Amino acid sequence: QVTLRESGPALVKPTQTLTLTCTFSGFSLSTRGMSVSWVRQPPGKALEWLALIDWDNDKYYNTSLKTRLTISKDTSKNQVVLTMTNMDPVDTATYFCARIHEYGGNSGFDYWGQGTPVTVSS
Amino acid sequence: DVQMTQSPSSLSASVGDRVTITCQASQYINNYLNWYQQKPGKAPKLIIYGASNLEAGVPSRFSGSGSGTDFTFTINGLQPEDFASYYCQQYENRFTFGPGTRVDMK
Repeated sequence: QVTLRESGPALVKPTQTLTLTCTFSGFSLSTRGMSVSWVRQPPGKALEWLALIDWDNDKYYNTSLKTRLTISKDTSKNQVVLTMTNMDPVDTATYFCARIHEYGGNSGFDYWGQGTPVTVSS
Repeated sequence: DVQMTQSPSSLSASVGDRVTITCQASQYINNYLNWYQQKPGKAPKLIIYGASNLEAGVPSRFSGSGSGTDFTFTINGLQPEDFASYYCQQYENRFTFGPGTRVDMK
């Protein structure tokens, strides 16, 4: 059974760095083809993809946010960590992590965490 | 970067209706297009991958089609549990979600 769970602070101040952890079970990020992504959703708005890390430790970032994002993994702990620097009120959102499943050349985010809300406010 | 547009942004429908949502990519993405359903306060759920493939366990009233830049998502016989928001997502070049379509009750 695949599960993912996000954890991190519910409130951060402007200019601070946000650190979120995705703890997962039911699969291994050392398995060829596996990857985990972060996605966020501001209140009442659309989904926005943030970053991905794969089994081979390759990392990909949203082009417009890449200078602020760092994604890493701890395979032994089954965790993926996302840091976002210089937080601003516009970064207020629910942050999701999701597993990416490979369907023979196709990819889909097939399992998601429940999301963790983050508010940026002084 | 690949930009995605969806239309309509919202629609009202009744149980049993056929619902169609379109998604357009700003550049060629082959068939690298997924559709997700999201209910308020919940995580998205993968419905269609690879433009036309139904995710396991998803009812067959959902379908997708298209390739290149233009895609269509259809619900044949809308059910009460289908009232939700729907997002397309491209994965030809990293990932981009569309702005979403909210389907609510007429």
